[in-house]
Amino acid sequence: AQSVTQPDIHITVSEGASLELRCNYSYGATPYLFWYVQSPGQGLQLLLKYFSGDTLVQGIKGFEAEFKRSQSSFNLRKPSVHWSDAAEYFCAVGAYDSSYKLIFGSGTRLLVRP
Amino acid sequence: ETGVTQTPRHLVMGMTNKKSLKCEQHLGHNAMYWYKQSAKKPLELMFVYNFKEQTENNSVPSRFSPECPNSSHLFLHLHTLQPEDSALYLCASSQLTGGHEQYFGPGTRLTVT
Repeated sequence: AQSVTQPDIHITVSEGASLELRCNYSYGATPYLFWYVQSPGQGLQLLLKYFSGDTLVQGIKGFEAEFKRSQSSFNLRKPSVHWSDAAEYFCAVGAYDSSYKLIFGSGTRLLVRP
Repeated sequence: ETGVTQTPRHLVMGMTNKKSLKCEQHLGHNAMYWYKQSAKKPLELMFVYNFKEQTENNSVPSRFSPECPNSSHLFLHLHTLQPEDSALYLCASSQLTGGHEQYFGPGTRLTVT
């Protein structure tokens, strides 16, 4: 069965430091992969997506993610974190059985120290 | 209006009330989704509609009744809810061709008293 694992429930980084959020997926075929961000009380905003081609994808707000098939990973990175990046981040894989759907990880909450 | 909108943003209802949540997408998409997001639990997919037809019901209790009159509108009718149904209810839409990325509304924060 398809699944997504985000092993870190919380991550705290200092403002200006680099960030990497981990995501591992389980899917039999070539995956469609996504990262979303959610601020408190808000919906999810799409940060970036991977469908095919270049394994390093660029997204909004200075985020990037790298697809590594051999490791079944799609980690999210940002070289310098801003206080406004504090939010919850969700990794998702696209999957199809009775209908097309996204399988979400349980999320990683990012806290930013001043 | 752009993107995906949801009304109301906040709703407090008693267990005997009947209320409805509304979602509208302005993106020209042909698939719509309802999710439930509870504290400390993963995002739960509730219903999927493709071209107005329900294609998935993830064992959702019958006190939740979805309706999709057209590809732009999605409703979630609520009746005789339980306190454990208190959550953030998120609507999303996507295009069934291409990358299938979903676009989310801001959610309705539901409190059942």
